[in-house]
Amino acid sequence: EVQLVESGGGLVKPGGSLRLSCAASGFTFSSYSMNWVRQAPGKGLEWVSSISSSSSYIYYADSVKGRFTISRDNAKNSLYLQMNSLRAEDTAVYYCARAHGRGYWYFDLWGRGTLVTVSS
Amino acid sequence: EIVMTQSPATLSVSPGERATLSCRASQSVSSNLAWYQQKPGQAPRLLIYGASTRATGIPARFSGSGSGTEFTLTISSLQSEDFAVYYCQQYNNWPPYSFGQGTKLEIK
Repeated sequence: EVQLVESGGGLVKPGGSLRLSCAASGFTFSSYSMNWVRQAPGKGLEWVSSISSSSSYIYYADSVKGRFTISRDNAKNSLYLQMNSLRAEDTAVYYCARAHGRGYWYFDLWGRGTLVTVSS
Repeated sequence: EIVMTQSPATLSVSPGERATLSCRASQSVSSNLAWYQQKPGQAPRLLIYGASTRATGIPARFSGSGSGTEFTLTISSLQSEDFAVYYCQQYNNWPPYSFGQGTKLEIK
């Protein structure tokens, strides 16, 4: 089955760190760019970060630049998001999403998400 | 950064009727526009990409149109399972990818 499964969410204090993981299965993970998208409680979708298939290109939203680091391990079919210096406004469900297309990339496969709560 | 604006915020429609959702971009995104459906507690699901191409497995009652800055998602005959929140997303100029704020489609 083609799927993405996130893990690693939880409750963390402001200023703390957390590492999210996304396990991919059912497709050739190494052929796709991947993304993290988040959704604060009751709010809309916000793109967080992208990484190309070979990790050559990495991009971040301004809101997380300098605090979050995206990475991947194609041998393990896994995507990661290291989150440091967490703030209350980082509280959200974090989804990993596969990018699809040719030159222009939309998100054709999403995981179910993992909840990150930043609170003292 | 391209800003995506969806209207209306909430749309009340009866089952069997047609629903029309709008999305406007602050500058041209060509046809690089996607629509997603999200139900409570679930991940978003891709409905439409390229402004008008249905994703795999999406019923024909869903259709997308538009280019440049004005886009429409039409659901021709609403089924009970279609009541959800719908988001548009531009992927023409990124980073950042940008989403609209969503339209909640509710039962009238």
